[in-house]
Amino acid sequence: DTAVSQTPKYLVTQMGNDKSIKCEQNLGHDTMYWYKQDSKKFLKIMFSYNNKELIINETVPNRFSPKSPDKAHLNLHINSLELGDSAVYFCASSQAGGTYEQYFGPGTRLTVT
Amino acid sequence: AQTVTQSQPEMSVQEAETVTLSCTYDTSESDYYLFWYKQPPSRQMILVIRQEAYKQQNATENRFSVNFQKAAKSFSLKISDSQLGDAAMYFCALPINNAGNMLTFGGGTRLMVKP
Repeated sequence: DTAVSQTPKYLVTQMGNDKSIKCEQNLGHDTMYWYKQDSKKFLKIMFSYNNKELIINETVPNRFSPKSPDKAHLNLHINSLELGDSAVYFCASSQAGGTYEQYFGPGTRLTVT
Repeated sequence: AQTVTQSQPEMSVQEAETVTLSCTYDTSESDYYLFWYKQPPSRQMILVIRQEAYKQQNATENRFSVNFQKAAKSFSLKISDSQLGDAAMYFCALPINNAGNMLTFGGGTRLMVKP
């Protein structure tokens, strides 16, 4: 039973398109995150979200937006895709007030052509 | 701002031997957590070990242990009796203060295990 799942696992699209990546966690956690891993394997936080607060890394373009229909889901929407958006995107979750360890989804490899 | 540095882009170890991966960090907090994550070729991020800064005792998980030196802001990972399945990218991570517990990661160390 997968703790944090993402769909799709692979996404190939053209520049200028709008796309979404879905994330679901069944751990009952109250905080979810999106990370971006570039081609050099460098991981960078994009967003942190719980039902009270959205925290955005200031370096994230406003073409990226998280949407949370409920506590168990945090989807990532990307508008006007650019070549530089090609990366692996990871969703993660954790429980506030705990040990801060995060559980990661399997990642979505986004390729923009 | 919190920063994490891994100075070894690549390391290799002979199967059954011991290897130590280095990590240094900077934070103004006195109480925090530190993590090591493993990313095998499957790309799944797997938590290896966690250390609480207020605990002087180094964390241990089976063949994995840490050498935590708080004053030096050093957090190295020791892998004993290395196995082929240990081959992966290893990332050191630190929560960003007052930022929703978002993690900041080091640049990673690629570990190769030779049979």
